[in-house]
Amino acid sequence: DIQMTQSPSSLSASVGDRVTITCRASQAIKNYLAWFQQKPGEAPKSLIYGTIYLQSGVPSRFSGSGSGTDFTLTISSLQPEDFATYYCQQCDAYPFTFGGGTRVEIK
Amino acid sequence: EVQLVESGGGLVQPGGSLRLSCAASGFTVSTYTMTWVRQAPGKGLEWVANIKEDGSDKYYVDSVKGRFTISRDNAKNSLYLQMNNLRAEDTAVYYCGRGTAVAVWGQGTTVTVSS
Repeated sequence: DIQMTQSPSSLSASVGDRVTITCRASQAIKNYLAWFQQKPGEAPKSLIYGTIYLQSGVPSRFSGSGSGTDFTLTISSLQPEDFATYYCQQCDAYPFTFGGGTRVEIK
Repeated sequence: EVQLVESGGGLVQPGGSLRLSCAASGFTVSTYTMTWVRQAPGKGLEWVANIKEDGSDKYYVDSVKGRFTISRDNAKNSLYLQMNNLRAEDTAVYYCGRGTAVAVWGQGTTVTVSS
């Protein structure tokens, strides 16, 4: 199975900060990388698919990049509603696997 | 409006069975890959299974192979997860979703396996 490693596992940031979350795959996954946001008690929400494509309705402050094994989710200017846990997922090879999550907390 | 609504969760004893349902509205399930994802209490997301658009291909995480079966009823526009021989480690919120990389999520249904 492909292992997905996210870093950091948690971070503290202030409103307006630029935040970067990294996801590393144990083998190359082409561009089949998605990002999700989850708030406590809620279902996940899709942010990005295919490494770089924003889901409809997702603010443009979110962006994705990367290739091969190393991928990044960037929030250009953190907003109060962005405090949540973020997960990456590879959809290149079964079983599709998620990263362990990155919790973004208020500093 | 595109929507997914899960049902069928509950408390079951180890070794028991449950059938989860996911009713879709606003789109046709037969035209999308459909997915089940679960989340154990306080843990991260785990992909469980998916079924391709034509229903011929089904895939499972190793830990549920031989115990869980994903299926679809096009007439009812619904997705299902038959879960047999349940274990304590299957305790989780189960989400259904539309797509390979899930773009639309249901609200989840809770499964608790305990004696």
